[in-house]
Amino acid sequence: EVQLVQSGAEVKKPGESLKISCKGSGYSFTSYWIGWVRQMPGKGLEWMGIIYPGDSDTRYSPSFQGQVTISADKSISTAYLQWSSLKASDTAMYYCVRECGGSSCAFAFDIWGQGTMVTVSS
Amino acid sequence: DIQLTQSPSFLSASVGDRVTITCRASQGISSYLAWYQQKPGKAPKLLIYAASTLQSGVPSRFSGSGSGTEFTLTISSLQPEDFATYYCQQLNSYVTWTFGQGTKVEIK
Repeated sequence: EVQLVQSGAEVKKPGESLKISCKGSGYSFTSYWIGWVRQMPGKGLEWMGIIYPGDSDTRYSPSFQGQVTISADKSISTAYLQWSSLKASDTAMYYCVRECGGSSCAFAFDIWGQGTMVTVSS
Repeated sequence: DIQLTQSPSFLSASVGDRVTITCRASQGISSYLAWYQQKPGKAPKLLIYAASTLQSGVPSRFSGSGSGTEFTLTISSLQPEDFATYYCQQLNSYVTWTFGQGTKVEIK
């Protein structure tokens, strides 16, 4: 079964750092882009950025450039989203997604992780 | 970047109704337009890609159409399990994406 499994919920204080993970299985992890999507409480979906684990090519939404870092360790089929200094406004659900490629489903996100809730509060 | 505007943002409908949701782009875009369904507390699910191609396993009552700046998602006969929030999504350029703001479909 193709799946993305994310790390568990986090509760952090403002200013703390954090790295959440997304492990892919059931497919060739290095052959598909893995992205991250933010959903703030009661709000819509926001695309944050994406990485190609095969060569670590990474792209960011202008809204998130410089605010987060996306990385991947292809040896363990895992992508990461990290913050160096969290803010209360980072409180949200974060989903990792697989971009299926042009020939399979026209660059849509066909596989979603279960989500990681990050709460930042003093 | 291209902006996507969905209308309506909220709609109230009954089981069996035909429902149409529109996604308008701020400028002409390719047909790399996808639709997702999200139920409360769950991750979104891909329904349609390339504007009109149904993802495997999605019921045929869902359909998509459109090109250029206007795209639509239609549910031909709304079922109880279809009450959810729907998002459109566009590939802006190589490897960047935008989502619409969402349309919540509730029971009348």
